[in-house]
Amino acid sequence: DTAVSQTPKYLVTQMGNDKSIKCEQNLGHDTMYWYKQDSKKFLKIMFSYNNKELIINETVPNRFSPKSPDKAHLNLHINSLELGDSAVYFCASSSSGSGETQYFGPGTRLLVL
Amino acid sequence: AQSVTQLGSHVSVSEGALVLLRCNYSSSVPPYLFWYVQYPNQGLQLLLKYTSAATLVKGINGFEAEFKKSETSFHLTKPSAHMSDAAEYFCAVSANQGAQKLVFGQGTRLTINP
Repeated sequence: DTAVSQTPKYLVTQMGNDKSIKCEQNLGHDTMYWYKQDSKKFLKIMFSYNNKELIINETVPNRFSPKSPDKAHLNLHINSLELGDSAVYFCASSSSGSGETQYFGPGTRLLVL
Repeated sequence: AQSVTQLGSHVSVSEGALVLLRCNYSSSVPPYLFWYVQYPNQGLQLLLKYTSAATLVKGINGFEAEFKKSETSFHLTKPSAHMSDAAEYFCAVSANQGAQKLVFGQGTRLTINP
């Protein structure tokens, strides 16, 4: 059973295109996150949703739009892709509350040409 | 505001030797601290976490870490390295209040020599 799953695993696209990444968790968590890992392996939070409400939005260009249709899903739509968007995007989930473990998905490797 | 510094982007040890990966944090509120491991082309897996219950925390795969408030450190150790420990290791901090985002260090790549 996959706890946190992401689709697609790999995404290769041209500059200027629009693409979406999907995330689903079957852990019963109410909080979900998107993190970006750059080419130097540095991880930084982008967004967090709690019970479908946006609670963290970290100075991310507004070309990035998250959407949470329900507690188990968090999608990321990216408009007008740029070369600098190439990265690995990780979805994570946790229970709400301080110190809760965040469980990560396998990542989506995005390459913008 | 919170931040994490991992000393040494690359650590290399011999199989069977002690593993020591260093992590120092900065936090304006009492922190929660985490160590995650990332194997090639995979997601992150929790090794252990400190949530103020005990300063010495034991995790999976024989790893442990000690929270030292006076030194603002949370170093990760393992007495005897195994080839399967080769991976990228990330230290992270979150606050004990407010929105629970993880702030990560730069990562340390651990290489095990036979």
